[in-house]
Amino acid sequence: DADVTQTPRNRITKTGKRIMLECSQTKGHDRMYWYRQDPGLGLQLIYYSFDVKDINKGEISDGYSVSRQAQAKFSLSLESAIPNQTALYFCATRKGTDSYEQYFGPGTRLTVT
Amino acid sequence: QKEVEQNSGPLSVPEGAIASLNCTYSDRVSQSFFWYRQYSGKSPELIMSIYSNGDKEDGRFTAQLNKASQYVSLLIRDSQPSDSATYLCAVSTDSWGKFQFGAGTQVVVTP
Repeated sequence: DADVTQTPRNRITKTGKRIMLECSQTKGHDRMYWYRQDPGLGLQLIYYSFDVKDINKGEISDGYSVSRQAQAKFSLSLESAIPNQTALYFCATRKGTDSYEQYFGPGTRLTVT
Repeated sequence: QKEVEQNSGPLSVPEGAIASLNCTYSDRVSQSFFWYRQYSGKSPELIMSIYSNGDKEDGRFTAQLNKASQYVSLLIRDSQPSDSATYLCAVSTDSWGKFQFGAGTQVVVTP
């Protein structure tokens, strides 16, 4: 089984709809991240969390919100989706103080029409 | 100015040759450096991390870090068609471990 899973893997939604992307991990890592990837722009950090009580905005948090339901679960919500939020979304985890290495989930391809 | 810069490519490399990828970064306090491989439509996969100046080798991959010149490079020896992918450079600049990613270099290994 994959260490980091994301659901759904693909989603098409309409402008104005609310959508939630979910991330779960079995790696036991305490730090979790949400990124989006647009062609030619690399990955941009949306939100990150160091534990269930700690949520931090990344460089492009406008239009997004997150919830850390448990150490293993970190969800990303688009309250009112817009077409320029069409992108690949990745969740990543990191063990914590021992290492800075981040491990990525398989991604969610989101299309907003 | 982007904080992490990579040539977008594509970098065309004959099979069996050495692929050389470069990455420059702007923040002098950057502490940790990573190379990820990403196949089209897939997630980034960590292939190398490097924290101190010099070379670090892992199989066919060698990462080189020069903090004074603010660059990190990746060499892929004996390139194989399966190495055809986009290689992302990531730099961590703070104790929170937040990454700044380059846009990636596309490598194409030709048989």
